[in-house]
Amino acid sequence: EAQVTQNPRYLITVTGKKLTVTCSQNMNHEYMSWYRQDPGLGLRQIYYSMNVEVTDKGDVPEGYKVSRKEKRNFPLILESPSPNQTSLYFCASSSGYYNEQFFGPGTRLTVL
Amino acid sequence: TQLLEQSPQFLSIQEGENLTVYCNSSSVFSSLQWYRQEPGEGPVLLVTVVTGGEVKKLKRLTFQFGDARKDSSLHITAAQPGDTGLYLCAGALHYGGATNKLIFGTGTLLAVQP
Repeated sequence: EAQVTQNPRYLITVTGKKLTVTCSQNMNHEYMSWYRQDPGLGLRQIYYSMNVEVTDKGDVPEGYKVSRKEKRNFPLILESPSPNQTSLYFCASSSGYYNEQFFGPGTRLTVL
Repeated sequence: TQLLEQSPQFLSIQEGENLTVYCNSSSVFSSLQWYRQEPGEGPVLLVTVVTGGEVKKLKRLTFQFGDARKDSSLHITAAQPGDTGLYLCAGALHYGGATNKLIFGTGTLLAVQP
């Protein structure tokens, strides 16, 4: 089954404690993205990757890091989380000219 | 900053009613996508419209791309409780290269009461 998986689905942590949210896709897509979803603000792109070892900032990259060492994986790293990073995070993969997104199930992060 | 405004933000209707959701921008998009997101899940692509004036139908859902490719609408006929969810539009901007940047709207939360 074609899918994007994320782990963990839920995470409560404290300010400053480094964390990683994993993302994996099995569709051999070249393009992957991370989004955060906040009430009233919609989906905003954090980082994206157009292929292995090729990453670039999206609209809200501050406080986040990513890596793309393998085509299928695209982890999101928060080196020093802060409360304003409390949000619902989605990983997505896509291919093709229209960049149609296949989203993962989401990770709800709370930073205390 | 490109903006994609959706209206209404919230909509609560009775089963069997018709409704229309609008997605508007001052930007011209190369294509426009509609997604539906159910609670606890990620958005799922419903349709992509590409040509100005294009109309696509998906069962009881009708999607239209504006002639100038700046706006789109989603019309649901005879809504059912299973249509409940957050509807998101996403406009694609072509900056060159092999793919497009997506700009997401803020969403329309639809609740269909039995």
